[in-house]
Amino acid sequence: IAGITQAPTSQILAAGRRMTLRCTQDMRHNAMYWYRQDLGLGLRLIHYSNTAGTTGKGEVPDGYSVSRANTDDFPLTLASAVPSQTSVYFCASRRDYSYNEQFFGPGTRLTVL
Amino acid sequence: GENVEQHPSTLSVQEGDSAVIKCTYSDSASNYFPWYKQELGKRPQLIIDIRSNVGEKKDQRIAVTLNKTAKHFSLHITETQPEDSAVYFCAASTPNSGYALNFGKGTSLLVTP
Repeated sequence: IAGITQAPTSQILAAGRRMTLRCTQDMRHNAMYWYRQDLGLGLRLIHYSNTAGTTGKGEVPDGYSVSRANTDDFPLTLASAVPSQTSVYFCASRRDYSYNEQFFGPGTRLTVL
Repeated sequence: GENVEQHPSTLSVQEGDSAVIKCTYSDSASNYFPWYKQELGKRPQLIIDIRSNVGEKKDQRIAVTLNKTAKHFSLHITETQPEDSAVYFCAASTPNSGYALNFGKGTSLLVTP
């Protein structure tokens, strides 16, 4: 692995189903983020993690949960998907507090029917 | 929380002309201001960034200016080329939410030959 990866690339999901979006980075970055991108709304922060073992809520956290058991992985779970969660989801990472640049994964396109 | 406004939402220029995109932010604690370029179906890519202790930064045909007093920053692209066509996002980062990025809603730039 080189950089930051996400899986799946795309998914169609029935409303009410549970879904976990995966994000893995091999850069040993401390901070990781989940954003959703909707047309006309830009990217909005869902959850973040400053370091392994800690997480925090962003601007639009309702309906989503995250965990950060180790440095490399930051999965995003939709407990019971709803159509309004149809979006493109981007995971991002940043090295540490002294380094600002965020690197983005390729994204997951999720459609909830 | 931080609120980032971006204008214009669409911009069309002729090849060789300059393009300017402007953003304002609300949180005086914001201290990092990146610009991302996103091509259709791709992830956001950092093209230039500026920190709050700097007023201007230039990288070849791209420059960013920051006015902390007025809380606004701008992206300038000179000698535009068709491959500059994309959606551009500004963002601001604060110590809140783990230095997550607050994005503007994007500017769709079209450079016509």
